[in-house]
Amino acid sequence: DQQVKQNSPSLSVQEGRISILNCDYTNSMFDYFLWYKKYPAEGPTFLISISSIKDKNEDGRFTVFLNKSAKHLSLHIVPSQPGDSAVYFCAASAIDNQGGKLIFGQGTELSVKP
Amino acid sequence: EAGVVQSPRYKIIEKKQPVAFWCNPISGHNTLYWYLQNLGQGPELLIRYENEEAVDDSQLPKDRFSAERLKGVDSTLKIQPAELGDSAVYLCASSLDRDTDTQYFGPGTRLTVL
Repeated sequence: DQQVKQNSPSLSVQEGRISILNCDYTNSMFDYFLWYKKYPAEGPTFLISISSIKDKNEDGRFTVFLNKSAKHLSLHIVPSQPGDSAVYFCAASAIDNQGGKLIFGQGTELSVKP
Repeated sequence: EAGVVQSPRYKIIEKKQPVAFWCNPISGHNTLYWYLQNLGQGPELLIRYENEEAVDDSQLPKDRFSAERLKGVDSTLKIQPAELGDSAVYLCASSLDRDTDTQYFGPGTRLTVL
């Protein structure tokens, strides 16, 4: 049972435009959500997170939106840069139930074209 | 600040052979995680340590996998004997404590079982 799903395995965007990566989850107990970025041959790197008490968190070019009723979150990157080309994983956790155990989606490979 | 260190980075072995992976977490991080990442998938938790104690090993195939974290610092993950299906990337991550969801990942060990 895939509790965290990223239904788009890949996304291609032109440099300077907005990239929108989507993630859906099924477990209503999840209360903390994170995005990680992964370059080839490297481990995932933490990018941005959001608590379930918020619906938006912004850090520079990166903004994460959370829609709890739809069990959906998205990562917006604007403007997109070629260096943003990587695989992006969303992850979720339920602190009270699982002590911070992260459940990851399958990842979306973003390609930003110059 | 040094990141999570893993070795070796790559390992190729014949099936039925043993293999071991080593991880040194970020200094001061009490919680250590081992993840398995198959191609095209997100990381999946194998085991989580809080200091020396394995607090979540429910996903660890205990018939062939074992792990230890002596002295609550570095950790070793072992597979004996390895099977073809064990070919994957093994990631180690650490965090300050169980309630700090920001996990910092090492570069991983890519295992190929022939």
